[in-house]
Amino acid sequence: AQRVTQPEKLLSVFKGAPVELKCNYSYSGSPELFWYVQYSRQRLQLLLRHISRESIKGFTADLNKGETSFHLKKPFAQEEDSAMYYCALSEAGTYKYIFGTGTRLKVLA
Amino acid sequence: ETGVTQTPRHLVMGMTNKKSLKCEQHLGHNAMYWYKQSAKKPLELMFVYSLEERVENNSVPSRFSPECPNSSHLFLHLHTLQPEDSALYLCASSIQGGRGTGELFFGEGSRLTVL
Repeated sequence: AQRVTQPEKLLSVFKGAPVELKCNYSYSGSPELFWYVQYSRQRLQLLLRHISRESIKGFTADLNKGETSFHLKKPFAQEEDSAMYYCALSEAGTYKYIFGTGTRLKVLA
Repeated sequence: ETGVTQTPRHLVMGMTNKKSLKCEQHLGHNAMYWYKQSAKKPLELMFVYSLEERVENNSVPSRFSPECPNSSHLFLHLHTLQPEDSALYLCASSIQGGRGTGELFFGEGSRLTVL
């Protein structure tokens, strides 16, 4: 079955330190992968998707099909990055959109 | 108002009540979704409507009944719920087409408590 796994429930880093939020997926076809973010008191929103290959707010994510991973990275964390991050997978040709359990990122001053 | 709007934001109901959650989107999207978000669980896809036709129903109990009268509105009718149904219910919309599903735009959610 298709699955998205985020092994860390909570990740705490100091401001200026590198950040890596892990995401692994299980899918037999060609998935589309996304990262969504939820800041305090705000709605869930798209951060980035793998097909666009762009950097948003300093975050990047590379799809590694060999390792079935889509880790989210940022070289220097900022306090405003503190939020809940969700990795998601969309199955091509279907309406299924599967989310991981989320990782709470806390950036400490 | 633009974006995805959900009402009510908070709902408390007894197990014998009948209530409905409402979602509106004014983004011109053609697909709408209901997700359930419980503590310590991933977002669970419940229903998907594309062009007002239900295209996905993820084995959701019949006490949850969706309705999509047009492409801008989505309802979730609730009847004889259980306390374990207490959760945050999120509505989302997207543009369907081509290869698959694009970005989901979420509402702020309706927090449901079943007593």
